[in-house]
Amino acid sequence: EVQLVESGGGVVRPGGSLRLSCAASGFTFVDYGMSWVRQVPGKGLEWVSGINWNGGSTFYADSVKGRFTISRDNAKNSLYLQMNSLRAEDTAFYYCARVAMIGNWFDPWGQGTLVTVSS
Amino acid sequence: QSVLTQPPSVSGAPGQRVTISCTGSSSNIGAGHDVHWYQQLPGTAPKLLIYGNKYRPSGVPDRFSGSKSATSASLAITGLQADDEAEYYCQSYDSSLSGYVFGTGTKVTVL
Repeated sequence: EVQLVESGGGVVRPGGSLRLSCAASGFTFVDYGMSWVRQVPGKGLEWVSGINWNGGSTFYADSVKGRFTISRDNAKNSLYLQMNSLRAEDTAFYYCARVAMIGNWFDPWGQGTLVTVSS
Repeated sequence: QSVLTQPPSVSGAPGQRVTISCTGSSSNIGAGHDVHWYQQLPGTAPKLLIYGNKYRPSGVPDRFSGSKSATSASLAITGLQADDEAEYYCQSYDSSLSGYVFGTGTKVTVL
């Protein structure tokens, strides 16, 4: 079964840092690009960052550029999101998602991990 | 900051047909980028419903169908059922932003 499991969420103060992880299983991780998508509770979806199969290309939404860093460890079948200089508006559920091999859709998604930025 | 516009809500009686529109621009849907749809049941992660404008993943009932034209796309649900009550999002790629974009989301209510 293809599965993505996020971890690392929690409460952090404004200006602080947090590192999210996503453990992948049930598929050949190295074959796929991956992304992070976030959702403020009760609001819509926002794509945050993406990475290609070998980590050689990374992409960011303007809202997080310069503050967040996406990376992956194919030996560990894991995806990461290092979040620095966190702001209250970064409070959200963060989902990792697999990007389709032949298109720009996300399937599957993890269950999400909640990040709360509050003093 | 959603780039794709959807109606906030649609509703219908059991068995009826409802449609959800997704309006974009010349840098995303109008640029030829495909549209994909997701269903998000309350308290759960989004699930892929339609990919490549009109294709259903295995396990998605044929009551769900997608279409695309010019700078917009649509999701149709026929034979509406109680467990179709969910939030629905469209998604595409935007050449100007060099990133993925989502719709504003539509809440489907079964009366």
